[in-house]
Amino acid sequence: GQNIDQPTEMTATEGAIVQINCTYQTSGFNGLFWYQQHAGEAPTFLSYNVLDGLEEKGRFSSFLSRSKGYSYLLLKELQMKDSASYLCAVRNFNSGNTPLVFGKGTRLSVIA
Amino acid sequence: NAGVTQTPKFRVLKTGQSMTLLCAQDMNHEYMYWYRQDPGMGLRLIHYSVGEGTTAKGEVPDGYNVSRLKKQNFLLGLESAAPSQTSVYFCASTPWGTSSYNEQFFGPGTRLTVL
Repeated sequence: GQNIDQPTEMTATEGAIVQINCTYQTSGFNGLFWYQQHAGEAPTFLSYNVLDGLEEKGRFSSFLSRSKGYSYLLLKELQMKDSASYLCAVRNFNSGNTPLVFGKGTRLSVIA
Repeated sequence: NAGVTQTPKFRVLKTGQSMTLLCAQDMNHEYMYWYRQDPGMGLRLIHYSVGEGTTAKGEVPDGYNVSRLKKQNFLLGLESAAPSQTSVYFCASTPWGTSSYNEQFFGPGTRLTVL
């Protein structure tokens, strides 16, 4: 089976940096995704990691350590519009196709 | 391109009623999925399809049926709705391929309430 853990809620200040952690246990691994979801809206893709290391995309970066079953999403220069839920999801290679397993999400509140 | 669309956006049902949620995508994607999202539970996979005419069960399939008669459409049916099926339902799709990077594209969601 698979288990994905991430903090339920976080609060950070506008202009600051915040790191959202995700740990996972899976019988097979074929990639880790981060999605952003604003209240009442659909999830939208942020990042993808399949090899160890850091992937940077503007103000957002995502890190993966496969040996530790660990990833984090780093948000820099926080803006009020970054207030949203951030979903960590893992794709299981052994499944033979591409369904993602999602964590429960981390609700980030950015305050002035 | 409209991307992934869902019909209806909102619906209220009485216990025991039936309904069908429609998901359509115009990106020629092979894979399509139905998720439900409940507070504190995250996104949970109900059923999915790896191609026209094929369907498979996900994590929480009980009480739901699906059909993929056309590649662009994925239907989710509730034969006898129960209050436990009150949720927000999201459809998603991805292109073909399991070994390469493929993000999932989500529809806007259907908010269903069962009284």
